[in-house]
Amino acid sequence: GAVVSQHPSRVICKSGTSVKIECRSLDFQATTMFWYRQFPKQSLMLMATSNEGSKATYEQGVEKDKFLINHASLTLSTLTVTSAHPEDSSFYICSARNAAAGQGAGDVLTFGAGSRLTVL
Amino acid sequence: DAKTTQPPSMDCAEGRAANLPCNHSTISGNEYVYWYRQIHSQGPQYIIHGLKNNETNEMASLIITEDRKSSTLILPHATLRDTAVYYCIVRVITNAGKSTFGDGTTLTVKP
Repeated sequence: GAVVSQHPSRVICKSGTSVKIECRSLDFQATTMFWYRQFPKQSLMLMATSNEGSKATYEQGVEKDKFLINHASLTLSTLTVTSAHPEDSSFYICSARNAAAGQGAGDVLTFGAGSRLTVL
Repeated sequence: DAKTTQPPSMDCAEGRAANLPCNHSTISGNEYVYWYRQIHSQGPQYIIHGLKNNETNEMASLIITEDRKSSTLILPHATLRDTAVYYCIVRVITNAGKSTFGDGTTLTVKP
């Protein structure tokens, strides 16, 4: 089945540094990927939609200059948390939509295992 | 996406069927019902989806009422590994996969 790999699974950084999280679709092409953030005991909050070859679409309230998204290929999207601060500590999860499967396969999403960011 | 309402938590005995309800009274005719689950500290996992007919796969069954205003996810023989947060999502299939998650139901399977 479809697999999405997310790396790193855990990262600890100092305040003020930038952190990059990678999301790869391993066995399918994904023209669209989604980035979510999840705080403890809360649900997933959609941050942005990542489109291959174009600019990401951010949800209301999400700072695009803070959370840089790049979707340079059909199998890779990256999220960079710039100048991270302790309040950015969270569980970041990506998901990908199989472009080839499309509506016929139900348009389901495959999620990565998540990346836990801790900013000291 | 139509709003969904789920009970915050449920318990189920191991080996018994787990029935998780979801209310989506404002669902539109072209919106599908999707179920995902999230085991602690992992990414969500797709379970099943449907439009109006009941659906079954190797993981679960989905029962959608005739008026489509509610649905039930059924795990026929729950195991301890089914303990997770279960999310019911309603959306159009042409939304390129964009999915909004509510609070979900925390299912605890007990021995």
